[in-house]
Amino acid sequence: AQSVAQPEDQVNVAEGNPLTVKCTYSVSGNPYLFWYVQYPNRGLQFLLKYITGDNLVKGSYGFEAEFNKSQTSFHLKKPSALVSDSALYFCAVNFNKFYFGSGTKLNVKP
Amino acid sequence: NAGVTQTPKFQVLKTGQSMTLQCAQDMNHNSMYWYRQDPGMGLRLIYYSASEGTTDKGEVPNGYNVSRLNKREFSLRLESAAPSQTSVYFCASILSLTGRGTGELFFGEGSRLTVL
Repeated sequence: AQSVAQPEDQVNVAEGNPLTVKCTYSVSGNPYLFWYVQYPNRGLQFLLKYITGDNLVKGSYGFEAEFNKSQTSFHLKKPSALVSDSALYFCAVNFNKFYFGSGTKLNVKP
Repeated sequence: NAGVTQTPKFQVLKTGQSMTLQCAQDMNHNSMYWYRQDPGMGLRLIYYSASEGTTDKGEVPNGYNVSRLNKREFSLRLESAAPSQTSVYFCASILSLTGRGTGELFFGEGSRLTVL
């Protein structure tokens, strides 16, 4: 079965520090992986995706994600966090339909 | 370009009442989804429609029905609402689900439903 796991319910980081939000996947075959962000009382917004090619994918708002096939991971990263990055982040895999992780709440403190 | 539009944004129902959530997309997408979001449980798929004229059950279809009215519109109906259906509902669309597409889902802003 296809699945995505986000092992951390919440990540706390100070503004200006690097951040990482973790995601691991289980897919038979090559995965198509996505990150979405949800701000309070809003729908999910697409951040970035990995389809093929370079393992480091760059997306919106300075976010990037690293695809690691051997570790079956697709961690979301940002070199310098902003308070405005505080939101709920979802990892997803597309395998005929989308499978979402349970979400990680990112808190960036001033 | 409105994207995915959901109505209503808020609704309060009494147990046993029925209602329909409406969703429309203007991106000429073939495939549409309905999800519910509950605290700590992420997004759970209720129903989806891979193309006009087809619908399929997702993870949590019990208590819901859907209609793919045309290519643009995909509605979700609660025939007899229960408190367990209190949730935030999201509609989403994607260009195509054929094979293992590489496109991303586009989401509406959500409909917050409370069942008393």
